[in-house]
Amino acid sequence: NAGVIQTPRHKVTGKGQEATLWCEPISGHSAVFWYRQTIVQGLEFLTYFRNQAPIDDSGMPKERFSAQMPNQSHSTLKIQSTQPQDSAVYLCASSLDQGWQNTLYFGAGTRLSVL
Amino acid sequence: GDSVTQTEGLVTLTKGLPVMLNCTYQTTYSPFLFWYVQHLNEAPKLLLKSSTDNKRTEHQGFYATLHKSSSSFHLQKSSVQLSDSALYFCALSDNSGTYQRFGTGTKLQVVP
Repeated sequence: NAGVIQTPRHKVTGKGQEATLWCEPISGHSAVFWYRQTIVQGLEFLTYFRNQAPIDDSGMPKERFSAQMPNQSHSTLKIQSTQPQDSAVYLCASSLDQGWQNTLYFGAGTRLSVL
Repeated sequence: GDSVTQTEGLVTLTKGLPVMLNCTYQTTYSPFLFWYVQHLNEAPKLLLKSSTDNKRTEHQGFYATLHKSSSSFHLQKSSVQLSDSALYFCALSDNSGTYQRFGTGTKLQVVP
């Protein structure tokens, strides 16, 4: 089991450009989560899917962020018109299901740097 | 809404000393608490978890006890090692069906 795979590991974009981040969850896991990690805020929830359906996107900045899960093997997080404040590590996690006691298995993250 | 508070941003300790990292939470539902550890340039991974009041949970030398009366789930170890240097996150889930909420994290730095 390769664990949760995130690509790319590092991405550098210019201000105003688009960034797409990819996540491959652990096979058999039905819940996929996206978090953003910064030193100041720690781990901030962005959005999650259960069985590919979007369940809660309350943490997503509405105007420029979007997430999709077109099939059970991958999810994408897209940031349009990136801004310097978007610079962070974006973490994807999966769990067996969305149950409240389930462990999150994280990928190594994508470090986004907006210049 | 739910929240998690970790009061220490950085804890620096000499190898062999005991450590306690603080975690308190707020929820109106039944809580489930987690500690995750993240070593440098690695993914966060589960250290231990619990939903049982007043029962000590242990893993890899670390232990924590959920105290619902004080809404706390502090992480402890009796003797830290250099390899324990990492970022530690406390997280809260509850039976309302929401996602896990994380504290801001505590960086533990163990020096020789």
